[in-house]
Amino acid sequence: GQNIDQPTEMTATEGAIVQINCTYQTSGFNGLFWYQQHAGEAPTFLSYNVLDGLEEKGRFSSFLSRSKGYSYLLLKELQMKDSASYLCAVRDNRQGNLIFGKGTKLSVKP
Amino acid sequence: DSGVTQTPKHLITATGQRVTLRCSPRSGDLSVYWYQQSLDQGLQFLIQYYNGEERAKGNILERFSAQQFPDLHSELNLSSLELGDSALYFCASSVAPSGTGDYGYTFGSGTRLTVV
Repeated sequence: GQNIDQPTEMTATEGAIVQINCTYQTSGFNGLFWYQQHAGEAPTFLSYNVLDGLEEKGRFSSFLSRSKGYSYLLLKELQMKDSASYLCAVRDNRQGNLIFGKGTKLSVKP
Repeated sequence: DSGVTQTPKHLITATGQRVTLRCSPRSGDLSVYWYQQSLDQGLQFLIQYYNGEERAKGNILERFSAQQFPDLHSELNLSSLELGDSALYFCASSVAPSGTGDYGYTFGSGTRLTVV
């Protein structure tokens, strides 16, 4: 089975950098995803990692260590609009569907 | 607009009733996934269809059922509704059936179901 852990809530200041961690346990790894979800809205795709290392996309970067079962999402130059939940998900190796963590609610303060 | 269309956006119904939620996937996507999101839980995978066939099943209750039609739209049927079924129900779609590649999902805007 799959188990995904991420902090429930985080707070950061506008303009700062924040790192959201995700640890996972899976019977067979087949990719890790990060999604952003504003309250009451649909999740939107942010990043995908399947190999170890850092993937950078503008202000957002995602890192993966398969041997440690660990990923993080790094958000730079935080803006108020970044206040949202950030969902870590792994692909179920057997069925292929995404299994989501409960999400980390990020509050960005002025 | 993500290209995934869900109707209705809001639904209020009484316990014991039955409802149908509808999803039209993004053009070209053959896979449809249904997820339930309640306040204290993350996105819980319910079921997946690929090109009309059931592909994967998650923690879907026996009171719930789904299907995908030849035009690829999908319906999620929820029956004998209970207060605990109140949640956001999301549909997502993707090109690939499963397993390989950088195939993230595209989510619809969801149906908020309230059971009273």
